[in-house]
Amino acid sequence: RKEVEQDPGPFNVPEGATVAFNCTYSNSASQSFFWYRQDCRKEPKLLMSVYSSGNEDGRFTAQLNRASQYISLLIRDSKLSDSATYLCVVKRNKLSFGAGTTVTVRA
Amino acid sequence: DAGVTQSPTHLIKTRGQQVTLRCSPKSGHDTVSWYQQALGQGPQFIFQYYEEEERQRGNFPDRFSGHQFPNYSSELNVNALLLGDSALYLCASSLVTGLNTGELFFGEGSRLTVL
Repeated sequence: RKEVEQDPGPFNVPEGATVAFNCTYSNSASQSFFWYRQDCRKEPKLLMSVYSSGNEDGRFTAQLNRASQYISLLIRDSKLSDSATYLCVVKRNKLSFGAGTTVTVRA
Repeated sequence: DAGVTQSPTHLIKTRGQQVTLRCSPKSGHDTVSWYQQALGQGPQFIFQYYEEEERQRGNFPDRFSGHQFPNYSSELNVNALLLGDSALYLCASSLVTGLNTGELFFGEGSRLTVL
């Protein structure tokens, strides 16, 4: 079983829509959780950390469910610039990346 | 302030050859991690260097080795190249004290093609 699993998508949504997707992790001892964003043929960049109580950063909301071992990312009022691959990252002793969920926002 | 720089950006090798990839971390960072990203996959952790020593290692064979220099820059060496080694190799830098934040700063990567 992979350490981090994601729905690869793609999620094709119109501008202004809300899109949400999950990521599951296998190691219950995982300590920290993050979402990274990777644009096509570019390097990954940290989008946001995920806290136990859930957290927002502008139009982005992240949730953590330790009991079910998943984290989620919700994007409200999607912009064309949100088109990217979103990588779920879980930290135990090292950062483990999922394969990513591709989101395409269309005009 | 220069970010993470990697070289070369692209290279082509043949099976059995050896390759060296180089990375200069972001100014002020002391820790370098290397990742392999195959097409359509997420980055896979190879190893991490701090204070010129390998501190952690992922599930990669001994053909993958590295080094960190006193100026914190790093090299990744891969011997006896296989077709399956074709990938984007990403270097990421951070402060060892900041590892818990999960914020890695990645370079743009070195794209290796093995023929």
